[in-house]
Amino acid sequence: DIQMTQSPSTLSASVGDRVTITCRASQSISSWLAWYQQKPGKAPKLLIYKASSLESGVPSRFSGSGSGTEFTLTISSLQPDDFATYYCQQYNSYSRAFGQGTKVEIK
Amino acid sequence: QVQLQESGPGLVKPSETLSLTCAVSGYSISSGYYWGWIRQPPGKGLEWIGSIYHSGSTYYNPSLKSRVTISVDTSKNQFSLKLSSVTAADTAVYYCARGYGIVGVPYFDYWGQGTLVTVSS
Repeated sequence: DIQMTQSPSTLSASVGDRVTITCRASQSISSWLAWYQQKPGKAPKLLIYKASSLESGVPSRFSGSGSGTEFTLTISSLQPDDFATYYCQQYNSYSRAFGQGTKVEIK
Repeated sequence: QVQLQESGPGLVKPSETLSLTCAVSGYSISSGYYWGWIRQPPGKGLEWIGSIYHSGSTYYNPSLKSRVTISVDTSKNQFSLKLSSVTAADTAVYYCARGYGIVGVPYFDYWGQGTLVTVSS
């Protein structure tokens, strides 16, 4: 059973900061990882798929990297619209798919 | 533009069956992709419930498999979720979504707005 662990759980940052969120899988998932952004009361929005592929329409300040068991989501320069909760999701096997989430708060 | 819309009762009694439908517009379900259900308890994270491939093959979260049925109605371009023997722990916002992947647990590119289902007597 694959476990997905995100860190940190909460992150305080300022507009313009470079932000990095980590997602670790308990076993290799190759590059089968997606990242989502969710704002309160809204459905999640796909940002990244296949670990590093940017979904159409997503700003280029978002990037993803990693393979195997360790992955990162980076926001190069945090914008006011980016304060939200971010989730990683593995799509390699039938088990726990999503990480527990990382909330990006205003510092 | 692909759009998904969940519908169904907002209140279900304990031990009964939760039933939701997702109407899809802007894309024909029978043309491809996975179609899935994800839920989110109030204030908590996301949980994948299950997916159905356009061919009808189904894939379920092992932790819910004994209680879940996902089906598709291509004539109405919609798919459905049934979750039996519900308890208060099944109270959540339920999302339907379109998915892309290789092994039954896809990633999801289009989502419905979500519908809150409360389990209470």
